[in-house]
Amino acid sequence: AQKVTQAQTEISVVEKEDVTLDCVYETRDTTYYLFWYKQPPSGELVFLIRRNSFDEQNEISGRYSWNFQKSTSSFNFTITASQVVDSAVYFCALSERWGAQKLVFGQGTRLTINP
Amino acid sequence: DTAVSQTPKYLVTQMGNDKSIKCEQNLGHDTMYWYKQDSKKFLKIMFSYNNKELIINETVPNRFSPKSPDKAHLNLHINSLELGDSAVYFCASSQSRDSNQPQHFGDGTRLSIL
Repeated sequence: AQKVTQAQTEISVVEKEDVTLDCVYETRDTTYYLFWYKQPPSGELVFLIRRNSFDEQNEISGRYSWNFQKSTSSFNFTITASQVVDSAVYFCALSERWGAQKLVFGQGTRLTINP
Repeated sequence: DTAVSQTPKYLVTQMGNDKSIKCEQNLGHDTMYWYKQDSKKFLKIMFSYNNKELIINETVPNRFSPKSPDKAHLNLHINSLELGDSAVYFCASSQSRDSNQPQHFGDGTRLSIL
């Protein structure tokens, strides 16, 4: 069965610090997809990125970067030079190829960036 | 233009009542979903429809009945509301039922049972 674990329940850093959010997943499928979503205090869920299991290249988008490592079943998310607007709950999620598009979410990590 | 819109945004009602939440997407997507987010922020899928056909039903009590009149709409009706139904309910859509498609979420409906 698929499972996603975000062991960090809460993280608090000072603005401009770099911060990494951890995500570890379990799946028996050889083809699967990993996602990160952001939930700001206003409550909506915002899609950030999708990664395919067969593509282990890391990705960078501005201050955001993602490190996918199949060997450790991890898909970590790093924010460089954090800003107060990055404060949110971040969710990692997994869908299996044959899972009828069922997204399984981790517990979420609440990130607080202090000025 | 809101891509996935849910109404109402807030719903406060008494135990035992019946209520509905509506969802509409204007993205031209084929697949729609309902998720429940509990007080600890845990998100879990409830239902999924693809072109009006039910494809996922995740052991949800049969007091919950989704209805998809067309592929742009997915409504959720809840009978005999219980205290444990208090949560935020999110509607989402994706281009197709393929697992690689990102899901786009509405703003959520916060349901509070008194």
